Amino acid sequence: QKEVEQNSGPLSVPEGAIASLNCTYSDRGSQSFFWYRQYSGKSPELIMSIYSNGDKEDGRFTAQLNKASQYVSLLIRDSQPSDSATYLCAVRDNTDKLIFGTGTRLQVFP
Amino acid sequence: DGGITQSPKYLFRKEGQNVTLSCEQNLNHDAMYWYRQDPGQGLRLIYYSQIVNDFQKGDIAEGYSVSREKKESFPLTVTSAQKNPTAFYLCASRTNAYNEQFFGPGTRLTVL
Repeated sequence: QKEVEQNSGPLSVPEGAIASLNCTYSDRGSQSFFWYRQYSGKSPELIMSIYSNGDKEDGRFTAQLNKASQYVSLLIRDSQPSDSATYLCAVRDNTDKLIFGTGTRLQVFP
Repeated sequence: DGGITQSPKYLFRKEGQNVTLSCEQNLNHDAMYWYRQDPGQGLRLIYYSQIVNDFQKGDIAEGYSVSREKKESFPLTVTSAQKNPTAFYLCASRTNAYNEQFFGPGTRLTVL
């Protein structure tokens, strides 16, 4: 059974701080990794994709991938209250399907 | 204006009825997907289609059916055989080059 694990949270951080969201996966052969943001009652929105080891930065977001440790993370710098949402980690398996974690709820307080 | 549309936004169904959820995309994506999301759970794959006139069962296909007669359209029918259909249903399509999936706004189905 291929699995993607996330801490459900909530992760509470003050405005302006760095939020660190973590995800582990079981399929060592996975090659593509994605972070989605989902506001309450809305559909998931793709915010980051990462395919190779290391860091990938896009604005205030940085995705980090370590395939040896089967670990992917998302850092949000200068967190804003508008970042409060559930963040879903997804991993593409070798049959071209995405396996989703259950998400981490982030709360950014003023 | 390119994107993925789903209709209706809210749907109420009586027990024993079949209902069809619409999903349309004008992004020229080959692959399309249907997911179900329940409170506190991750997204679970119902059906997916990588090309017109072909589709495969996902992890929870029982009680659902799909068709893919056109590239743009991937409707999902929730049949009376689905014992617990109340959920948030999400349609997605995947970019042809980068394997990124994008979601429509979703349909919230409630069985009365």
